[in-house]
Amino acid sequence: QKEVEQNSGPLSVPEGAIASLNCTYSDRGSQSFFWYRQYSGKSPELIMFIYSNGDKEDGRFTAQLNKASQYVSLLIRDSQPSDSATYLCAVIRDKIIFGKGTRLHILP
Amino acid sequence: DVKVTQSSRYLVKRTGEKVFLECVQDMDHENMFWYRQDPGLGLRLIYFSYDVKMKEKGDIPEGYSVSREKKERFSLILESASTNQTSMYLCASSLQRMGGGYTFGSGTRLTVV
Repeated sequence: QKEVEQNSGPLSVPEGAIASLNCTYSDRGSQSFFWYRQYSGKSPELIMFIYSNGDKEDGRFTAQLNKASQYVSLLIRDSQPSDSATYLCAVIRDKIIFGKGTRLHILP
Repeated sequence: DVKVTQSSRYLVKRTGEKVFLECVQDMDHENMFWYRQDPGLGLRLIYFSYDVKMKEKGDIPEGYSVSREKKERFSLILESASTNQTSMYLCASSLQRMGGGYTFGSGTRLTVV
C-alpha cells in the first residue's frame, strides 16, 4: 500500500472554476500535512500546511483535513492559468513522505 | 528574502568522476536535506543533517555521501558518478527537525554521460 497517494492527472479545470486536489495517506498516526506547488523545471514551494481536522483558508487556497478518512485536500478558487503546476502532498509522522504529485492544467 | 542556494543549475559529468553539489542557506536553519527527483518516482530522500558534523542516511544513500562542516552549508558528493545518477537534485532546509516546512533550492540538473 502506497503511503501517500495522489492522482497523477493531468487535472484540467476551466479558468475561474474551483480546482480540487486530493491526497490520501495510509499512516493513521500522521500529524502534519503540507501542500507544495512545483512549476515545470522549478523546485517545489510550500503553499499550505494544516495540522487539525477541518478547513484552513489562505487567499484563494483552502486546505481540508479529515483524519478519520485519512485524506487531505487542496481547493483553489477562481483558478488562474498561473495555477497550472504540479501539486505535491506531504505527510509527516516520524518522517516526511511526499506524494508523487498531481498535474493541474487551468484552461484559459 | 530567505534563500537556499545551489551552486550549479546544470552539470554534465562523465561516468566515474567525483561530483560535488553544494548547498548554502541563509536562514540559520539547523536542518538540511538532499533529495533527488525523477519522473514517476517523485522526491526521494538521499541524506539529511540536523546539526553541524551530523549526517543521517535517507531512503537512497547508496553511491552518495555528504559533508556538513558549517551550519549553512550542506554538500552532496557522488563518489563515482554513474549514468543512473542522472537526475534533478534538490537541497532543502527547514526550521523544524521533521521538515515539512521546507525551503528548497532551485535545483541542480545533473547529467552523467
